[in-house]
Amino acid sequence: NAGVTQTPKFQVLKTGQSMTLQCAQDMNHEYMSWYRQDPGMGLRLIHYSVGAGITDQGEVPNGYNVSRSTTEDFPLRLLSAAPSQTSVYFCASRRGAIQETQYFGPGTRLLVL
Amino acid sequence: LAKTTQPISMDSYEGQEVNITCSHNNIATNDYITWYQQFPSQGPRFIIQGYKTKVTNEVASLFIPADRKSSTLSLPRVSLSDTAVYYCLSYSGAGSYQLTFGKGTKLSVIP
Repeated sequence: NAGVTQTPKFQVLKTGQSMTLQCAQDMNHEYMSWYRQDPGMGLRLIHYSVGAGITDQGEVPNGYNVSRSTTEDFPLRLLSAAPSQTSVYFCASRRGAIQETQYFGPGTRLLVL
Repeated sequence: LAKTTQPISMDSYEGQEVNITCSHNNIATNDYITWYQQFPSQGPRFIIQGYKTKVTNEVASLFIPADRKSSTLSLPRVSLSDTAVYYCLSYSGAGSYQLTFGKGTKLSVIP
């Protein structure tokens, strides 16, 4: 199994541009989520999904959209990039219940100029 | 979700045992205690989880006293490769979906 994969590894955007961060998992996990991590901070939850067609907001959802059309994929869309969205983005998945092990992807480093 | 408090940073020499204590004073009856480890430039990875007493696996041990208001992650004989940030999480096993990560404890292992 590849586990949780994320693309791209690194991206530079200009303010106002849009882009989609890709996340995929091959473990047939129901629960997927997106976090952002800023220097000196912990991980903050952006959006999460408990199954295909079901998404919900986390702690810091503004400026981001998600959709979950398949079990495997959970893309994160930046609608109009801002310098405040410069961060490292991690996608994660787990089988279901909150006490299940959560698996993280390698991260996408985003720089917004 | 129970709020957790842990030291911001710790230093240790190679070969020593490291104990990182996490406080969770308002832990609920159904809450689990879980620790994740994050190496630089990587996503966090699960280390260990427990509910009460002691849990041990090939990586670490987790000690939880009877009142469950704190827990201690124990790493035996650390090496340089154990340098990482360690996160203590506490959450309810019923009806919760979100895992909340604090700032964690940055462990630096010194040669």
